[in-house]
Amino acid sequence: SQQGEEDPQALSIQEGENATMNCSYKTSINNLQWYRQNSGRGLVHLILIRSNEREKHSGRLRVTLDTSKKSSSLLITASRAADTASYFCATDEASGSRLTFGEGTQLTVNP
Amino acid sequence: DVKVTQSSRYLVKRTGEKVFLECVQDMDHENMFWYRQDPGLGLRLIYFSYDVKMKEKGDIPEGYSVSREKKERFSLILESASTNQTSMYLCASRALGGQAFFGQGTRLTVV
Repeated sequence: SQQGEEDPQALSIQEGENATMNCSYKTSINNLQWYRQNSGRGLVHLILIRSNEREKHSGRLRVTLDTSKKSSSLLITASRAADTASYFCATDEASGSRLTFGEGTQLTVNP
Repeated sequence: DVKVTQSSRYLVKRTGEKVFLECVQDMDHENMFWYRQDPGLGLRLIYFSYDVKMKEKGDIPEGYSVSREKKERFSLILESASTNQTSMYLCASRALGGQAFFGQGTRLTVV
């Protein structure tokens, strides 16, 4: 079964708006990571947040982590049409080297 | 730059054939992964390796095996290809606890 589950499955917004995606997971983790995938391409790493961190920023990205609720969120501020892609969360499980992905959120940013 | 190279971008094989998908990384990473990606299902972990000759089953190992004889190379083997193994296959590598770097993917069609 999938470790991470993203919500929503699809999100459509206008340029300039903020986009928020959520991820829930089941087991204890070392860290949680977010990736982006443009259509038909490999995944690209965006940001990593460790289990002892609560919030992290990188440019227009803001990630939060709540280990008590086993959930994370990715916020993209001031979105652009070029942000259109699928976004995945991945959990680095504390029990070993396993890196497990969720089903992803398809983000569409309309010009 | 880290490079993860998958041997083929597109592959067409016949039912019952033995299929080898090769993945090579150039960063001396300990961990290597094989995922398959199908529409609506995200990335599902097939197998991963945390060191040379070491491997662990992922969530969907049935019908697959792997080999890691050298640190830089991780091979996925379809023992007897079936049509339900038609999919996009993604290889990734990473240092322990770090971000994953992905290959460009192999789109396998089994006819």
